[in-house]
Amino acid sequence: DTGVSQNPRHKITKRGQNVTFRCDPISEHNRLYWYRQTLGQGPEFLTYFQNEAQLEKSRLLSDRFSAERPKGSFSTLEIQRTEQGDSAMYLCASSVTTGTGADNEQFFGPGTRLTVL
Amino acid sequence: GNSVTQMEGPVTLSEEAFLTINCTYTATGYPSLFWYVQYPGEGLQLLLKATKADDKGSNKGFEATYRKETTSFHLEKGSVQVSDSAVYFCALSGALSGTYKYIFGTGTRLKVLA
Repeated sequence: DTGVSQNPRHKITKRGQNVTFRCDPISEHNRLYWYRQTLGQGPEFLTYFQNEAQLEKSRLLSDRFSAERPKGSFSTLEIQRTEQGDSAMYLCASSVTTGTGADNEQFFGPGTRLTVL
Repeated sequence: GNSVTQMEGPVTLSEEAFLTINCTYTATGYPSLFWYVQYPGEGLQLLLKATKADDKGSNKGFEATYRKETTSFHLEKGSVQVSDSAVYFCALSGALSGTYKYIFGTGTRLKVLA
């Protein structure tokens, strides 16, 4: 297994354009998470899926952001009408339910760095 | 709501020095606690974890004990190496409360000098 993969690794776009990122989780993992990390800060939670169901969304996830996980496999995160404040590293992680769920180890991908000009 | 507070960095140490990075948390219920490490140019990697009070997580010479009475999960290593230079993140998860997302601290950058 190659771990969590994300594409593209880097994206440069102009303000007002739409962008879409893809995340492929570890194959047997049923949970998938999106986080955003800005320079000098820890990752901030955006949203997560259990299989294909989106179970929680952060208030950070404005109407311009949408995420999907069709068929409970890969996931996409789309940002519409990008703004300069959207510039950040977007991280994807996955985990699998074990026992009580307390051992909720998440495995992170390398991230997609978005720069909005 | 749940939160994590880490000591601010950067922390600069000489090789073989003792390391402590403080982490305290605020949470309802019984969160699980994690330390992740981010080496330059790489993604986040789990360093160690603890899922209940008094548990000690350990890996690669690093240790952290889940202290419920002080709501802390401080990271320690007896003798750091240059290769330990990285950013360290403390995180909690309220999985037993039905919240699987991580809440991260702001991270502490460690630089170890030869």
